[in-house]
Amino acid sequence: ETGVTQTPRHLVMGMTNKKSLKCEQHLGHNAMYWYKQSAKKPLELMFVYNFKEQTENNSVPSRFSPECPNSSHLFLHLHTLQPEDSALYLCASSPLSSTDTQYFGPGTRLTVL
Amino acid sequence: AQSVTQLGSHVSVSEGALVLLRCNYSSSVPPYLFWYVQYPNQGLQLLLKYTTGATLVKGINGFEAEFKKSETSFHLTKPSAHMSDAAEYFCAVSDFNAGNMLTFGGGTRLMVKP
Repeated sequence: ETGVTQTPRHLVMGMTNKKSLKCEQHLGHNAMYWYKQSAKKPLELMFVYNFKEQTENNSVPSRFSPECPNSSHLFLHLHTLQPEDSALYLCASSPLSSTDTQYFGPGTRLTVL
Repeated sequence: AQSVTQLGSHVSVSEGALVLLRCNYSSSVPPYLFWYVQYPNQGLQLLLKYTTGATLVKGINGFEAEFKKSETSFHLTKPSAHMSDAAEYFCAVSDFNAGNMLTFGGGTRLMVKP
């Protein structure tokens, strides 16, 4: 048990749907992250939240909208996605230092039809 | 800017053989280096990390890595592979200037043959 949970584990959606991914961490960390993991591509950092404030948006299209209501919860709202957005979306959390370990959830496998 | 290169997207070894997964980094300041492992249908899990001090770092499951500044490398080794080591391995780098952000390599898939 890593202490980071993600729901749902699998999601299939059409291009016109709106859905949300949820991440929760039980580790008392102050930073949370969204990553995208596609086949044959390096792990891509999407968003970083430190103390609930967004500190990094790695040129992510606006069809992905993050929300961090508190230090324990992180959402990724999805709308009008494209088939190329199909990927494994990983959430992670950590304390704030650059030497700290990031703890990852199991991911949500997203398929866009 | 930081970057990480993992040589070999796929590595195959026999059970009981030495495991060597290569990682080279670039960083303009002293790096912090990490190895993560990802088993099928799971998230990433830390194997080991180097921040300061001893350059040979021991991690979980018998893995170790050595930070070599002159070679800008942080290769991961295990003396004897086990079937359960089959997974994808990611090297990552951070530094003081990067704050809490990691830059990951492309990953190496390790296959272990019986």
